Amino acid sequence: DGGITQSPKYLFRKEGQNVTLSCEQNLNHDAMYWYRQDPGQGLRLIYYSQIVNDFQKGDIAEGYSVSREKKESFPLTVTSAQKNPTAFYLCASSTGGLEGSYEQYFGPGTRLTVT
Amino acid sequence: GIQVEQSPPDLILQEGANSTLRCNFSDSVNNLQWFHQNPWGQLINLFYIPSGTKQNGRLSATTVATERYSLLYISSSQTTDSGVYFCALTLINQAGTALIFGKGTTLSVSS
Repeated sequence: DGGITQSPKYLFRKEGQNVTLSCEQNLNHDAMYWYRQDPGQGLRLIYYSQIVNDFQKGDIAEGYSVSREKKESFPLTVTSAQKNPTAFYLCASSTGGLEGSYEQYFGPGTRLTVT
Repeated sequence: GIQVEQSPPDLILQEGANSTLRCNFSDSVNNLQWFHQNPWGQLINLFYIPSGTKQNGRLSATTVATERYSLLYISSSQTTDSGVYFCALTLINQAGTALIFGKGTTLSVSS
């Protein structure tokens, strides 16, 4: 069935290590997004990609990197430069306005804990 | 930038009660979404409602874009309605689109 998958669900890392979060979608959506959620807060945009091989920084891109080599995949790397990486990370996708809709759909999220 | 404010921040209800959640935004918008975040963190799409009124079972939503607000109505609330409700606006620019989220309304429904 169609949807967005994120793995792993929980991730633990030591400070100073880079870590890559996976996001895959089989909805044939062009646009993909990464958001970060801290306790008691709304979601904030890290990076987004409107098409393959292109991506843009969001509001809080510092310390993160992404790639978009395939339409269905948009992995996020949390680097050691990210000062406060412990958070809940959510991936989303949309048609990006094609077919007249900008509605975004979300994956189940990855909880990252860095100690 | 666009500001999104949700009220109330917290809401406690008895099962069976009705409630109204509000979302105010600072700029005219083309697109607005309502989400329910369940206790496991999953964001569930409730409504995509740039304007007008939509209904889905016990839930309905109304967006008045000219007055810059949207309302989410929950009738006959159930314990499974508990969680955080977010509204989010679509920001469209030359580079693409992204959602601007409010801080959410935390709903607790007790039996």
